Amino acid sequence: AQSVTQLGSHVSVSEGALVLLRCNYSSSVPPYLFWYVQYPNQGLQLLLKYTSAATLVKGINGFEAEFKKSETSFHLTKPSAHMSDAAEYFCAVTSLSGYSTLTFGKGTMLLVSP
Amino acid sequence: DGGITQSPKYLFRKEGQNVTLSCEQNLNHDAMYWYRQDPGQGLRLIYYSQIVNDFQKGDIAEGYSVSREKKESFPLTVTSAQKNPTAFYLCASSRTGQVSGYTFGSGTRLTVV
Repeated sequence: AQSVTQLGSHVSVSEGALVLLRCNYSSSVPPYLFWYVQYPNQGLQLLLKYTSAATLVKGINGFEAEFKKSETSFHLTKPSAHMSDAAEYFCAVTSLSGYSTLTFGKGTMLLVSP
Repeated sequence: DGGITQSPKYLFRKEGQNVTLSCEQNLNHDAMYWYRQDPGQGLRLIYYSQIVNDFQKGDIAEGYSVSREKKESFPLTVTSAQKNPTAFYLCASSRTGQVSGYTFGSGTRLTVV
């Protein structure tokens, strides 16, 4: 069984500040991990993915995430927040075993203030 | 351009009626998925299909039905048995045999009136 826990349903930052969105996973097999972003009333867009290559993964819009097996974490960061980063972010986990599907966390809403 | 099209974007249904949400993709993906999104609950899997004429129940399949007669199409029917159907519904597709992530449609917001 797989699961994802996102700490904090809402995170507020000032424009220009560091963004840190937390994701911890549980998986009995080697995981593959994803971060998605969702703007209001839209679908989800892939930000980045970890598929067992480099543990530090760079994505679109300046975001990156680091896979830490010892901490079972895959936190999303961005050095400097922009107003356009305000959205909901979802962490998701899957594996290559059988008919594994993506299991999503409950999401974290990022609020950016001027 | 390739992508996933969900229609309609907004849908209103009277209690006791069945309604069908459309999902079409031209990405040549084998697998397709339906998720339900409610505020604060993330995305929950309703049904998925890895191949034409085959589909599996997800975590919250009760009150929903699907078909997969064509590779490109995976319609979702919300039946009158679904007790709380008001939600945002997302369709997605992916390749099989590799972990490439999902491509999502723009969603259908269903409201029961």
